[in-house]
Amino acid sequence: QSALTQPHSVSGSPGQSVTIPCTGISSDVGGYNYVSWYQQHPGKAPKLMVFDVNKRPSGVPDRFSGSKSGNTASLTISGLQAEDEADYYCCSFAATNTFVFGTGTKVTVL
Amino acid sequence: QVQLVESGGGLVKPGESLRLSCATSGFPFSGYYMSWIRQAPGKGLEWVSSINKNSQTIYYTDSVRGRFAISRDNAKMSLYLQMTSLTAEDTAIYYCARGGLTRFDFWGQGTLVTVSS
Repeated sequence: QSALTQPHSVSGSPGQSVTIPCTGISSDVGGYNYVSWYQQHPGKAPKLMVFDVNKRPSGVPDRFSGSKSGNTASLTISGLQAEDEADYYCCSFAATNTFVFGTGTKVTVL
Repeated sequence: QVQLVESGGGLVKPGESLRLSCATSGFPFSGYYMSWIRQAPGKGLEWVSSINKNSQTIYYTDSVRGRFAISRDNAKMSLYLQMTSLTAEDTAIYYCARGGLTRFDFWGQGTLVTVSS
């Protein structure tokens, strides 16, 4: 299966909002409400930020929110902070009981 | 707290085998799906395999099916990945992660596997 499509990079100033789109197809993003998002700082393990499209694990700030429309899911970071600078990956459950990750997006805080 | 610690990575030659282990603590291991996810140097994340609570349901990504085998020992709270016929394309950090039904909610720090002659 092909990786989900994400922009290579997005940037924003502190306090601003950024949105990261994640585009798949009807047999992954479009077919299931099992999209999750992961934050990865350099040299660190990924951390779950959003699951089931729009749910946040305990401890994740409500500045992070998820949504989905058709074959595209999105992660929005509101009130951007310096510590949000990291790589972000989307992931979707897919047909034949597999998972597919996105290509990854580098978020830069200007 | 939830902890996952991978081990077993290293440098191997093409065609050789390697067994990764993931020791867990801080949660009821036998109640969770578990998974392996890898990341090639400088690249993105790639799901490798998942196993359900009682090892009766196992899934693999196409590129490793037939070469890799995921397993678990609930008594030892450990997850394993037996890798055979390794190629340069398998070079990556291998992460053990809790979950595999809809999401991966805790990750280990990873173990590096390098396949090179």
